[in-house]
Formats: sequence, C-alpha cells, structure tokens
Amino acid sequence: AQKVTQAQTEISVVEKEDVTLDCVYETRDTTYYLFWYKQPPSGELVFLIRRNSFDEQNEISGRYSWNFQKSTSSFNFTITASQVVDSAVYFCALNSNTGGFKTIFGAGTRLFVKA
Amino acid sequence: DAMVIQNPRYQVTQFGKPVTLSCSQTLNHNVMYWYQQKSSQAPKLLFHYYDKDFNNEADTPDNFQSRRPNTSFCFLDIRSPGLGDAAMYLCAARGGAMNVNTEAFFGQGTRLTVV
Repeated sequence: AQKVTQAQTEISVVEKEDVTLDCVYETRDTTYYLFWYKQPPSGELVFLIRRNSFDEQNEISGRYSWNFQKSTSSFNFTITASQVVDSAVYFCALNSNTGGFKTIFGAGTRLFVKA
Repeated sequence: DAMVIQNPRYQVTQFGKPVTLSCSQTLNHNVMYWYQQKSSQAPKLLFHYYDKDFNNEADTPDNFQSRRPNTSFCFLDIRSPGLGDAAMYLCAARGGAMNVNTEAFFGQGTRLTVV
C-alpha cells in the first residue's frame, strides 16, 4: 500500500520565522518519486519540487529547502524567513512504478504566516 | 500563460441536474486527470486518461463520467449531482510514458455548488 502522511494540519508562524512541514511516506516500491505542491487560496496546485528515490541529496531553492531521508521515509520541507505570501496549503505527494500514473497526496498542511 | 485551463471557475447546479466541467491543456501531455477535493482534504483521484485509455478509480461513483475527445480537452460529467458532490474539481496534465517522475500541472479548479 502507498500512503503519504502529513501530521501537521495547520501551522501558524510570524513573518520571518523559519517553518518546517513534515511528510512521511509509505511504499514498497524501490523506485518512487516524491513531490511538494503549494495550493494558494486561488485553488491551483503549484508544483514546487520532485525527488526520485535514488537521489537523497537535499535541495535548496531560495528560501525553500527539502530534506529527503529514506531511512525515516521522510521528505520534509523548510521555508526560511517565511513571508505572508507563503500562506497556503502545502501537499506532499508520491508516485511510484507500481502506482502507475496515480499521484497519492497527503492530507495537506495549512500554513498561516502572520505579518 | 495558463497551461491547464478549467471552465468555469465556479459552477452552481441544481440537485439532480446534469452538469459538465471542462478542462483544456496547451502542453500536449498524454496523461490527464480529474481530482475531487473537498474542504480541508487532499485531492482524491477520480479517473485518468493515458492518451485515450480511460482508467477509473474503483471507488469513483458511477454518477461521474469523463470524456476526452482529443489530447487537449477533457470533460467531467456528473449525471445527477447530489449535495455530497459539492467540491473543488481539479484537472491536471502530465507528460510521460511509464516514467512517473514528471510533475503534474494543475488547473485552477472548478468549485461546484449543488443547490
């Protein structure tokens, strides 16, 4: 079975604080892909990053960074110096070879960044 | 420029009255998806097309149908909408054959209200 768990339902921070969004996944496949999407109030899901199971290298993109650890089946997302525009729902997602074309989403974490 | 376009953004329909939601993509991607997203929940896959091959999720109600007349367009038909079908409906497109590491591009969604 494949599953994505985002245990944090809502997080509230003050602008300029750092915040980490947790994601834990389950899959029996050895080849799989992980994604993060942002869903602002407008509704569209915006792609942020993908990672394949063979690449555990962490990635930084501006204020965003991702920590992929296969040993703990986690793919956490950190926003440094958060801004009000970061307020959105963030989804972690999983694709795998067995799952074919299906993207399995976590329940999402709603982030509120207050000025 | 928007790559996946959903029309309309907001749709109000009467209980039991058939309704069609539209999606078009300019990406020429071979895979298209329809997701249902209820408030504060993760998107739930209803079905997807790989080219013209239609794949229905096992738990998608028969009330939901889809058509894909060509690569660019995909429609979601709800034959007899119930109050429980009120949700955001998201369309997405993704390129690739059996390679599942490409990201999906989402439209802005259609928010369906059933009265």
